[in-house]
Amino acid sequence: QKEVEQDPGPLSVPEGAIVSLNCTYSNSAFQYFMWYRQYSRKGPELLMYTYSSGNKEDGRFTAQVDKSSKYISLFIRDSQPSDSATYLCAIPNNNDMRFGAGTRLTVKP
Amino acid sequence: ETGVTQSPTHLIKTRGQQVTLRCSSQSGHNTVSWYQQALGQGPQFIFQYYREEENGRGNFPPRFSGLQFPNYSSELNVNALELDDSALYLCASSSTSGRVDEQYFGPGTRLTVT
Repeated sequence: QKEVEQDPGPLSVPEGAIVSLNCTYSNSAFQYFMWYRQYSRKGPELLMYTYSSGNKEDGRFTAQVDKSSKYISLFIRDSQPSDSATYLCAIPNNNDMRFGAGTRLTVKP
Repeated sequence: ETGVTQSPTHLIKTRGQQVTLRCSSQSGHNTVSWYQQALGQGPQFIFQYYREEENGRGNFPPRFSGLQFPNYSSELNVNALELDDSALYLCASSSTSGRVDEQYFGPGTRLTVT
């Protein structure tokens, strides 16, 4: 079992839709949970992160962690074509970042 | 845009050859990590360098090696290239603050091995 699992999609939604992206992880000791966005031919950029359980909101984006089920989510409200990218969940572990496979999202106008 | 730069942008090599990829860290950052991102996959940690010493390594064979220079720029060297080495190679720089949100990725080098 991989430490971080993510459905690679692809996911295609109409503009304005609510998007839900999800990951599961295996190690209950993990404390920080990251979401990166990667545009085509670019490196990943940090979108937001949470510590331990709970929700964190930043504009149209909400990150949610459920440590009891080892499940992390990213919600995008009022999705825009500019949100089209690959979204990667990641968990820092000592010196490295453990990434999920990434979910490729397309928001159609 | 982050202050992390990588060169070259892309290159094509033949199986068995050797390649060197370069990374320039963001100003003020003394730690650099290298990742391999195969097509359709998330980045996988290769190794990290801190103060010119390897400071952690992922599950990659010894033919993947690195260097960090006094100005904190870095190189990734891959010997005896294999077809499976075709990937996007990312470097990420960070400081020693320990903050999880202070790691910045470069745009990557796309390596194709034929």
